[in-house]
Amino acid sequence: EIVLTQSPGTLSLSPGERARFTCRASQTVPSDSFAWYQQKSGQAPRLLIHGTSTRATGIPARFSGSGSGTDFTLTIASLEPEDVAVYFCLHCVGPPCTFGQGTKLEI
Amino acid sequence: QVQLVQSGPEIQRPGASVTIWCRASGYSFSAFGLNWVRQAPGLGLEWMGWISPSTGRTKIAQKLQGRVTLTADRFTPTVYLELKTLISDDTAVYYCARDLSQSSVGLPAHWGQGAQVSVS
Repeated sequence: EIVLTQSPGTLSLSPGERARFTCRASQTVPSDSFAWYQQKSGQAPRLLIHGTSTRATGIPARFSGSGSGTDFTLTIASLEPEDVAVYFCLHCVGPPCTFGQGTKLEI
Repeated sequence: QVQLVQSGPEIQRPGASVTIWCRASGYSFSAFGLNWVRQAPGLGLEWMGWISPSTGRTKIAQKLQGRVTLTADRFTPTVYLELKTLISDDTAVYYCARDLSQSSVGLPAHWGQGAQVSVS
């Protein structure tokens, strides 16, 4: 079973700064199987990125994804206050699927 | 628009079973798979399983096999999650979430509001 490890655990930044979230898989995974989610307090998760780098419908261009093999990154180019949330990565082939443990973003 | 409405909160005793449901609307129910994801208090997301409403085929996370049953009723149209032999660690918010597309099997994109299950 593939394990996803996200880092850092918490990211504390200021508005306008760039945020980078990392997710490392325990073994090589296909790029089309990788996604990122945003979960704000008290809400259901929202799909941000799928297929490693494709933004979901309605997601602002400041969100981007990249990576391959075992290392994947979510970047928020210029932080806005409403980006405060926990960000999760997801790997899914088949299914079954696996989530990372999440990175909390503080602004 | 895609809408997933879930059942209400449940309180159950350890050892009991619980069934929660997720009613879909706004799209062709049989055309997209549905996932179940849970989140224990203050913790991360745990993928539990997936069902194809058209075929009834399911995939269940290994650690939950034997305790989780997923079913779908194409006429209502509703999917059901039954979790048996409840333990305190099953206390969580349970989400249903529809696949992004017919080719993106197991990629949750449209989420229900969540259903709280408490075991005590």
